[in-house]
Amino acid sequence: DAKTTQPPSMDCAEGRAANLPCNHSTISGNEYVYWYRQIHSQGPQYIIHGLKNNETNEMASLIITEDRKSSTLILPHATLRDTAVYYCIVRVFNYQLIWGAGTKLIIKP
Amino acid sequence: ETGVTQTPRHLVMGMTNKKSLKCEQHLGHNAMYWYKQSAKKPLELMFVYSLEERVENNSVPSRFSPECPNSSHLFLHLHTLQPEDSALYLCASSQQTGDEKLFFGSGTQLSVL
Repeated sequence: DAKTTQPPSMDCAEGRAANLPCNHSTISGNEYVYWYRQIHSQGPQYIIHGLKNNETNEMASLIITEDRKSSTLILPHATLRDTAVYYCIVRVFNYQLIWGAGTKLIIKP
Repeated sequence: ETGVTQTPRHLVMGMTNKKSLKCEQHLGHNAMYWYKQSAKKPLELMFVYSLEERVENNSVPSRFSPECPNSSHLFLHLHTLQPEDSALYLCASSQQTGDEKLFFGSGTQLSVL
């Protein structure tokens, strides 16, 4: 079973920041948090991952709470092309990813 | 374009047919994967190959038979499938097994009649 909980859907206005929450209250000390997204009719795409520090790359920022029981993926300026299902996954390094249902993010013009 | 190409994009087959799905990666990766994505269900890992050797087989029925002739190509041979096998079949690759970043193809949408 997936070890994360995400809202099933969210809306965000184009140009605004999209903040996607994820709860992983049973996360262990050596488990990483990963985010992928899946745009309709495509395979999943890696976005970002982290262990305990906040991370940022060209696609997004990942904010992990100090107790590591939850995290937020931030898309700073959402565009219509960011409409997708976003998956939050926790994984021990070298073990397979366990996928959940994700959050369907709809960006509205 | 992720560097992982799957063919065909769509496939319709009868329960008595034999067909194969093909995956090719141009990224120089050593690990390749088959995933199944059924409607309204999470992605399920089916098979993992590392340097052409199968390292994981997640209790997949024998009517699905993978083949990895080299590190760039992966096949999934299908025979006597059931309607419940209809799903999106996704191929992925990574630098090595356990690497944090998987690169996925666009998948083959399979319908079994």
